[in-house]
Amino acid sequence: GQQLNQSPQSMFIQEGEDVSMNCTSSSIFNTWLWYKQDPGEGPVLLIALYKAGELTSNGRLTAQFGITRKDSFLNISASIPSDVGIYFCAGQGGGSGYALNFGKGTSLLVTP
Amino acid sequence: EPEVTQTPSHQVTQMGQEVILRCVPISNHLYFYWYRQILGQKVEFLVSFYNNEISEKSEIFDDQFSVERPDGSNFTLKIRSTKLEDSAMYFCASSVSLSPPDTQYFGPGTRLTVL
Repeated sequence: GQQLNQSPQSMFIQEGEDVSMNCTSSSIFNTWLWYKQDPGEGPVLLIALYKAGELTSNGRLTAQFGITRKDSFLNISASIPSDVGIYFCAGQGGGSGYALNFGKGTSLLVTP
Repeated sequence: EPEVTQTPSHQVTQMGQEVILRCVPISNHLYFYWYRQILGQKVEFLVSFYNNEISEKSEIFDDQFSVERPDGSNFTLKIRSTKLEDSAMYFCASSVSLSPPDTQYFGPGTRLTVL
């Protein structure tokens, strides 16, 4: 699969802080997705982006599909303890078929 | 809300044994997928399945792996002769279609431990 670079690898923040993470790829994708994974569970879809330049919000989460189709970012505003988990970006399409190509994840820890 | 279910939640097996991991996709979904996640690593695509055929597979999905939809509800992944490096979480996913804006919904996973 195509290589996705996700950063940062981990973040340790205080409750109430904003968080930003991003993904870049050397290849273009038609869709960018952001998933959250809690320990011992499967990835849960947070936001899906289908168009270059698209900016989408889901509550305190905002994500953007980069204009070059090779990157995406996810912002979490006013973090809370239940935001703890691993956040994965995933790219789909653009020559890679319909399989999801995942980043290596950003581990988020939030202290009260 | 409908969800993908997987059984068992944890499977322990001896090297060389066959295992079958089971999934029940969301009922109106037509496309089914298996992914795996080795501990501490990213989620990796294995195979996609539609209309009783494999539609796409990765280089990981070699001759030791096979998939089947034995009835109208189950979707299985078989590993014929397990190796130590097959130890991982295996996730099933399903989607209504292939094309966006549809997306893949994941099950809770089966943790496979090969001893």
